[in-house]
Amino acid sequence: DARVTQTPRHKVTEMGQEVTMRCQPILGHNTVFWYRQTMMQGLELLAYFRNRAPLDDSGMPKDRFSAEMPDATLATLKIQPSEPRDSAVYFCASGPGQGGLRPLHFGNGTRLTVT
Amino acid sequence: DQQVKQNSPSLSVQEGRISILNCDYTNSMFDYFLWYKKYPAEGPTFLISISSIKDKNEDGRFTVFLNKSAKHLSLHIVPSQPGDSAVYFCAANGGNNRKLIWGLGTSLAVNP
Repeated sequence: DARVTQTPRHKVTEMGQEVTMRCQPILGHNTVFWYRQTMMQGLELLAYFRNRAPLDDSGMPKDRFSAEMPDATLATLKIQPSEPRDSAVYFCASGPGQGGLRPLHFGNGTRLTVT
Repeated sequence: DQQVKQNSPSLSVQEGRISILNCDYTNSMFDYFLWYKKYPAEGPTFLISISSIKDKNEDGRFTVFLNKSAKHLSLHIVPSQPGDSAVYFCAANGGNNRKLIWGLGTSLAVNP
């Protein structure tokens, strides 16, 4: 059963450090999403790629966050420098076809704690 | 401003009874709606969807109803089982950018 793989599952780091989260989308899926889940905001969309091209990163704080897809099998989300308010669970999701018209498949998330 | 609202943060139901989870939306451009289920320490998994051209979609124990005039949808689970205990997210899609807009979720507890 194909699934989205995210690493690491947990990350604890100190404020100011760089954090890199990785995602391997399902083979053949051409859309990739990064979400952040917090108690107050629910699932916030950070970035959205189609065919490896960034289509929308309006939800991402540009000064410290960056998202890339170096190739079709890897998506990365970097935070530099990290801050305590970045503590959350970060989910990657992939989907076939046109974004939300097909159900997304989510990874199990990276739980980030910034102290 | 929440465009998709799940006004009940939590719901408790007895095993075997019906669970009804509600979702309201504000944007009349939304034309596709999905429900996802999420267990602790896992990512959301797709459960059921409905297009705005329909008012009902059924899949086994799960049925989603859409009332476009009221901008309201609901997920019915009959009969509820303890394994259904999870957080349920409603999401909507539509408009120019086709992004999914998510509700904050409803935590369902099905008691044996």
